[in-house]
Order: sequence, then C-alpha cells, then structure tokens
Amino acid sequence: GAGVSQSPSNKVTEKGKDVELRCDPISGHTALYWYRQRLGQGLEFLIYFQGNSAPDKSGLPSDRFSAERTGESVSTLTIQRTQQEDSAVYLCASRGTGASEQYFGPGTRLTVT
Amino acid sequence: QQQVKQSPQSLIVQKGGISIINCAYENTAFDYFPWYQQFPGKGPALLIAIRPDVSEKKEGRFTISFNKSAKQFSLHIMDSQPGDSATYFCAARPNTGTASKLTFGTGTRLQVTL
Repeated sequence: GAGVSQSPSNKVTEKGKDVELRCDPISGHTALYWYRQRLGQGLEFLIYFQGNSAPDKSGLPSDRFSAERTGESVSTLTIQRTQQEDSAVYLCASRGTGASEQYFGPGTRLTVT
Repeated sequence: QQQVKQSPQSLIVQKGGISIINCAYENTAFDYFPWYQQFPGKGPALLIAIRPDVSEKKEGRFTISFNKSAKQFSLHIMDSQPGDSATYFCAARPNTGTASKLTFGTGTRLQVTL
C-alpha cells in the first residue's frame, strides 16, 4: 500500500507569512507524529496524535506552531508569521496500533526568505 | 539537554570495511533503541532496533551492540558498500509503551568510498 505522503515537497515563503503543511498517514495508522529537521541536525519532536486522545504538544517551539488532525486521517501543521529560523525539513510519521515502528514521509522542505 | 549523544558526526569508510557509529544515553527509562537510515531527499527509514534485554542483534550486514550498564549502543555495518552511504540516526524511547515519542541523536553522515 501507499506510504506516508506529505505536501508540498518544497515551500518557499516570505518572512511573516503563514504556511500549512499536509501529511497523509498510512491508512489505518492511529498514531501520527510531526518532527522538524534542521540542516545537519537530528529530528526534533513537535507534536503527536493518537486516535481521539488529546495531542501531545510538548515539542511545539512556540505558539506560532499548531497542528490538527481529523480522526485518523490527514494532519496539517500550521506555522504562523514564519521566521527565518523556521526554515527546515518538516517530517511526518505514522505508526500502527501496538506497533513500534514509525514510518516517515519524505518531508516538506520549508525555506523562509 | 540532549538525551541521546551520537558520534561521529561524519564517517568515511572504504568499500568492504566496517562502519561503526556510537550512541550514548542517560535516561534509564529508555527501553527501545532503533536505528534509522536516511538518504538525501527521503524520510528516515527503520533499519534495525533492539531492546535492552539482549546485548546484540544482527540483521544481515547490520548489527546493534547494546551495553546496558554503560548506557551505550552502537551500529556496526559489516562489508560496507557504496549504497550504504547515507545519514544514520540512533534513537531511543522510554518504556511507557509505543505511545512515547522517539528522541533522536544528531546523525552520522556515512560515506563509503570505492
């Protein structure tokens, strides 16, 4: 079946603009994660959704960042009033119930000019 | 505070050689230790994972060695091939179940030369 997909693959935006990044998880996967990967660095956890439970937002760096997920489907990560330090690859991963492995999408490369 | 320290940052190995990447952690609640492989422009993909009840796990040319007392684990790539050239991340997750988030190391860029 299809893997995790993300769109757009690349996004260039001006400082101060809002952006929306989309993640389509693997069908049936109840858990969904967002990570940020800055150039040459590891993955930084942002937010985690598990079914209908309240999301774990402990990794969001500021209140400019938010994410939504409807049920067990698509998720969107929104960054308001983008700053140059927001430039990074934003990765989404999904995981099946009871499984350990997270499956990653290809990421969205965000460049804030 | 970085909870998983990974070294080296980059590594060059000749074809056929052994690539070794090391990670150390401090949180004794970690109980799942995966390694991810990432090619340019792609998302990370799970390569191999270990739990602390064993000291070693081997899958093909890839082996994880785990030292619980030292709180260290390492990835060994035997007979390294140019196709292994990628960035490798170690990670760890606490024993509160699969719901917990992974903490990643900073990555090692491996280049295997001919």
